[in-house]
Amino acid sequence: AQSVTQLDSQVPVFEEAPVELRCNYSSSYSPSLFWYVQHPNKGLQLLLKYTSAATLVKGINGFEAEFNKSQTSFHLRKPSVHISDTAEYFCAVRPNAGGTSYGKLTFGQGTILTVHP
Amino acid sequence: NAGVTQTPKFRVLKTGQSMTLLCAQDMNHEYMYWYRQDPGMGLRLIHYSVGEGTTAKGEVPDGYNVSRLKKQNFLLGLESAAPSQTSVYFCASSYRASRHGYTFGSGTRLTVV
Repeated sequence: AQSVTQLDSQVPVFEEAPVELRCNYSSSYSPSLFWYVQHPNKGLQLLLKYTSAATLVKGINGFEAEFNKSQTSFHLRKPSVHISDTAEYFCAVRPNAGGTSYGKLTFGQGTILTVHP
Repeated sequence: NAGVTQTPKFRVLKTGQSMTLLCAQDMNHEYMYWYRQDPGMGLRLIHYSVGEGTTAKGEVPDGYNVSRLKKQNFLLGLESAAPSQTSVYFCASSYRASRHGYTFGSGTRLTVV
């Protein structure tokens, strides 16, 4: 089985400040990890993914995430945020093996990022 | 544009009514999924399908049924709607290999009164 914990339900930040959204995961099998973004009243868009290659993953819109196997974490970072980054962010895990768990994406509960001017 | 299309986008039902949500994808994905999204609860898997003619239960399947008669379509049915089924429903599809993420539809906002 797998699970995802997003450690912050809401993160307020000022424009041009750096931000980190925290995600811890558990998985019985080697996982692929994902971050999705959801703007208000929109669907989910893939930001970036880790699939057992480089541990530092770069995504769209200047976001990056670092896979840390020993800490079972996959934190999302951006060095300077914009007003348009205001959205809800979801971390998700998908196991690379495991019978009926294979192929199923498990989501965290989401972190609402609010960027203030 | 290639992707996942959900219909309808909005719907209001009375308690006890039935309806079907349609999901269509044109990417030849093997896997398809139905999620519901509720405030503070993230996305929860209702049902999923790993291929044409196959379906399986997810985390919250009660009150829903699904069918996948064609590879590109995945239907979600509510036989007797209840207020607890008020939610935003998302369909997604993916290739089989786990290194792929999902492609999501834009969602259906369902209100049961």
